[in-house]
Amino acid sequence: AQKVTQAQTEISVVEKEDVTLDCVYETRDTTYYLFWYKQPPSGELVFLIRRNSFDEQNEISGRYSWNFQKSTSSFNFTITASQVVDSAVYFCALSTTTSGTYKYIFGTGTRLKVLA
Amino acid sequence: GAVVSQHPSRVICKSGTSVKIECRSLDFQATTMFWYRQFPKQSLMLMATSNEGSKATYEQGVEKDKFLINHASLTLSTLTVTSAHPEDSSFYICSAHQGTGRDQPQHFGDGTRLSIL
Repeated sequence: AQKVTQAQTEISVVEKEDVTLDCVYETRDTTYYLFWYKQPPSGELVFLIRRNSFDEQNEISGRYSWNFQKSTSSFNFTITASQVVDSAVYFCALSTTTSGTYKYIFGTGTRLKVLA
Repeated sequence: GAVVSQHPSRVICKSGTSVKIECRSLDFQATTMFWYRQFPKQSLMLMATSNEGSKATYEQGVEKDKFLINHASLTLSTLTVTSAHPEDSSFYICSAHQGTGRDQPQHFGDGTRLSIL
């Protein structure tokens, strides 16, 4: 089965705290891609990162970092020194090809509230 | 780069009206576009995959005659909600796939909030 699980429905932190958003996936594909998107209250989805299944290097971009571990099928996202502007819903997605049709499998999202 | 424009951003109309939503890729060609529906505080639900020059592929449970999709060019896909009713009220989001490989991200429009009275 192709599936993405974001077990944390909602997380609240105080500004400047670090926070990790979990993403666990299931796929039969040997080659696949994982993505994180941010959806602020205004509604648009903003692309944050892409990771392919052959590249397990962790990535850091400013206050954002991602930890990809194939052994546990996880692709977790950490925000360091969180800010109020980080408040949003974050979606993890798996890119898969089912019956030759490319599509995303989205997780249910994690709502992050950063309190001032 | 990779900008997707979706229009209109908000629609309020009476029951029975048909509503057309446009999705344009502004600075790249998109062979494939996707239409999603999102209920409050829920994830995105894929409705259909729109392929330029061919019929859209609908997900199970999505009525083709209710949600008409036309992908007339490499930069434009439209979703028409025909004879809309209050249960069709939702947030509709389109995305465009840049390139053909699975590694390329989908780029999303800003969404259309549809309210049927």
